[in-house]
Amino acid sequence: AQSVTQLDSHVSVSEGTPVLLRCNYSSSYSPSLFWYVQHPNKGLQLLLKYTSAATLVKGINGFEAEFKKSETSFHLTKPSAHMSDAAEYFCVVSLDNSGGYQKVTFGIGTKLQVIP
Amino acid sequence: NAGVTQTPKFQVLKTGQSMTLQCAQDMNHNSMYWYRQDPGMGLRLIYYSASEGTTDKGEVPNGYNVSRLNKREFSLRLESAAPSQTSVYFCASSEAGWGRRNEQFFGPGTRLTVL
Repeated sequence: AQSVTQLDSHVSVSEGTPVLLRCNYSSSYSPSLFWYVQHPNKGLQLLLKYTSAATLVKGINGFEAEFKKSETSFHLTKPSAHMSDAAEYFCVVSLDNSGGYQKVTFGIGTKLQVIP
Repeated sequence: NAGVTQTPKFQVLKTGQSMTLQCAQDMNHNSMYWYRQDPGMGLRLIYYSASEGTTDKGEVPNGYNVSRLNKREFSLRLESAAPSQTSVYFCASSEAGWGRRNEQFFGPGTRLTVL
């Protein structure tokens, strides 16, 4: 069985300060991990993904995440928050199963507020 | 490329009414998915289609049916809408096949209210 836990439902940062959104996962096998962003009243957009290559993954808009197998974590970071980063962020774990499709589990989301 | 498109964007139904949500993708993806998004619950998989001609239940299939019309189109039908089906519905697609791990591409969503 696989699961994903986003440790904070809301995070508030000041513009220009670092962002840290935390995600822990559990999986019987080596998973693929993703971060998606959803701006208000919009669909989900892929920020970055980890698929067993480099453990430090760089994404769009200055975001990056580090896969730490020993800690079963995939935290999302950005050095300096921008007002446009205010959105909801989803951590996702994906595992190929024997049926040939992706079993995908979403976290419940972290809402990021950026204060001017 | 339009990516994944969904119609309608908004819909209000009365309890017991039926409707079909349409989804199409132009990326030649094999797999397509329907999710619902409810506050504090992330996205939950309703149905998926691993490839053209196949459909399977996801986590929350009760009250829904699907049709994979062709490789491009995957529709979701509510036969008798209930207030518990008030939600935002997202369609997604991916290349996914045996041993491949690809991201899913999402449509803009359909906001459905059942009164």
